[in-house]
Amino acid sequence: EAQVTQNPRYLITVTGKKLTVTCSQNMNHEYMSWYRQDPGLGLRQIYYSMNVEVTDKGDVPEGYKVSRKEKRNFPLILESPSPNQTSLYFCASSEDRGDNEQFFGPGTRLTVL
Amino acid sequence: DQQVKQNSPSLSVQEGRISILNCDYTNSMFDYFLWYKKYPAEGPTFLISISSIKDKNEDGRFTVFLNKSAKHLSLHIVPSQPGDSAVYFCAAILMNRDDKIIFGKGTRLHILP
Repeated sequence: EAQVTQNPRYLITVTGKKLTVTCSQNMNHEYMSWYRQDPGLGLRQIYYSMNVEVTDKGDVPEGYKVSRKEKRNFPLILESPSPNQTSLYFCASSEDRGDNEQFFGPGTRLTVL
Repeated sequence: DQQVKQNSPSLSVQEGRISILNCDYTNSMFDYFLWYKKYPAEGPTFLISISSIKDKNEDGRFTVFLNKSAKHLSLHIVPSQPGDSAVYFCAAILMNRDDKIIFGKGTRLHILP
């Protein structure tokens, strides 16, 4: 089954404790992206990747890192999480460019205390 | 500065009638637009898209209209069904530039029985 998976689905952590949210897709997609969804703000792009070893900042990259060492995986790293990073995070992938239909993962709800 | 605006946070429509969701944008350089639908506790799913060289795209019950001079697009759902109750996001892309995707804040559509 074609899908985008994210782990964990739910996470409660404390300020400053490094964490990684994994994202994996099995569709051989080149384009992958991370978004956060906040009440009243919709979906905002954090980082995206056009291909392996190619990553670019989205609209809200501060406080986040990503890597794209393999085509299928695009982890989101929070080196020192802060409470303002409490949010719902979505990973997405598409065939090549972002203009193609993106497939979204189920979301990761992160709470930073 | 919000580049993609969905000014109606929510909309209620009678089942069987037409639902019209609106989206305005500020950057005339956007050249591709997409609509996504999101149910609670799920990731967004792609609905329909339109290139800036077109003014209409239709897919079953869903039609997207683009008015470039007004920098406005709308999604029409006819006839509206109970399963259409969801949050709808419009998104815009600058192709051949930075490939960022800008989403609106979303509109919650309620289909009334």
